[in-house]
Amino acid sequence: KAGVTQTPRYLIKTRGQQVTLSCSPISGHRSVSWYQQTPGQGLQFLFEYFSETQRNKGNFPGRFSGRQFSNSRSEMNVSTLELGDSALYLCASSSLGELPANYGYTFGSGTRLTVV
Amino acid sequence: GQSLEQPSEVTAVEGAIVQINCTYQTSGFYGLSWYQQHDGGAPTFLSYNALDGLEETGRFSSFLSRSDSYGYLLLQELQMKDSASYFCAVYTTGYQLIWGAGTKLIIKP
Repeated sequence: KAGVTQTPRYLIKTRGQQVTLSCSPISGHRSVSWYQQTPGQGLQFLFEYFSETQRNKGNFPGRFSGRQFSNSRSEMNVSTLELGDSALYLCASSSLGELPANYGYTFGSGTRLTVV
Repeated sequence: GQSLEQPSEVTAVEGAIVQINCTYQTSGFYGLSWYQQHDGGAPTFLSYNALDGLEETGRFSSFLSRSDSYGYLLLQELQMKDSASYFCAVYTTGYQLIWGAGTKLIIKP
């Protein structure tokens, strides 16, 4: 089956601009999470969507937002880009429902965003 | 607050065995996961422990002690391709996944 697809793979933006990243989860997966990863850093949780509802949110400023569509595809938006937003943005999908089971998140290859 | 502690870096020799520890402090606990990430790649799921004990998957094993809030990933017969960063993550109440900062595994020939 197809994996998690993130587009675009690479992006260069200028400070002050905004950007929208897209994530298509594995078919049947209703949970989509977004993470930011900077060099040498772990995964910083942005938010998680489940059935079009934001279920959890990390400690990021309001410039970072997201949404999920009825087909489970998700987008995240970053407005008023700053140099510090340069990072790898990863999307992960899971079939997790109401209770955790022997699950695993499947990650996409990420979008590498460079802000200049 | 909620936190996971794991060593930042571990060095081992090809063919040897290495253990990467993870201790956690979280509000609620459903299970402990491990992920592998090669430089420039995406994290890939390795294992999940919900109950105490050892889970074995080929050369990799993962252990959990809920009473000690502790787990580890054991890699046997190390190969150069195992050089990567390894993350532990705890699934807590509220459908939250809390991540450790990652352990960089360096393997020497």
